[in-house]
Amino acid sequence: NAGVMQNPRHLVRRRGQEARLRCSPMKGHSHVYWYRQLPEEGLKFMVYLQKENIIDESGMPKERFSAEFPKEGPSILRIQQVVRGDSAAYFCASSPGWGSSTDTQYFGPGTRLTVL
Amino acid sequence: EDQVTQSPEALRLQEGESSSLNCSYTVSGLRGLFWYRQDPGKGPEFLFTLYSAGEEKEKERLKATLTKKESFLHITAPKPEDSATYLCAVQARSGGGADGLTFGKGTHLIIQP
Repeated sequence: NAGVMQNPRHLVRRRGQEARLRCSPMKGHSHVYWYRQLPEEGLKFMVYLQKENIIDESGMPKERFSAEFPKEGPSILRIQQVVRGDSAAYFCASSPGWGSSTDTQYFGPGTRLTVL
Repeated sequence: EDQVTQSPEALRLQEGESSSLNCSYTVSGLRGLFWYRQDPGKGPEFLFTLYSAGEEKEKERLKATLTKKESFLHITAPKPEDSATYLCAVQARSGGGADGLTFGKGTHLIIQP
């Protein structure tokens, strides 16, 4: 499968626990983006990362949320001390990166987070 | 602040009945406008990228057009399998390269047999 991969597809956490969402970009892609989709709302940009660098985190909540894209392995979106308002679908997208002829972002299937 | 407004919010058509979806945008320097299709419980599926006013792209029954203020997604003779939510997004031009996308809320399209 050459597409963007996300896991887990569904995640249930109790209030106060930590949630870790993983994203493997498409083969050959070096840029990763995270988005959140709340019920009845549009997709909202959270963070944009390159390997070992956060390029833009202007959409990330100031507390409890963090993201990384290490040199080896998938990108991780981490939510500490989850609250019910964090329940949403979290999508990862990837793009080829600077120097490519296209900025098109390709999305993964998402992780549905439910906080009890 | 970049903004994207899609209309209508929902649209119900008969099979074969052509129509257009609208996407109005304001952005501080357009790098690209994107159309995606999203089925329930799935991630957005890429359809088109448009970069400059006057540009048009086609794929099967879909055609996307772009002006300086809006984009249209024309659906010709739709089939029930075209039922989905269609999302429009813009990407602003920045000094550092590609940015995150700003999405509209989408148009929920239903094609009845």
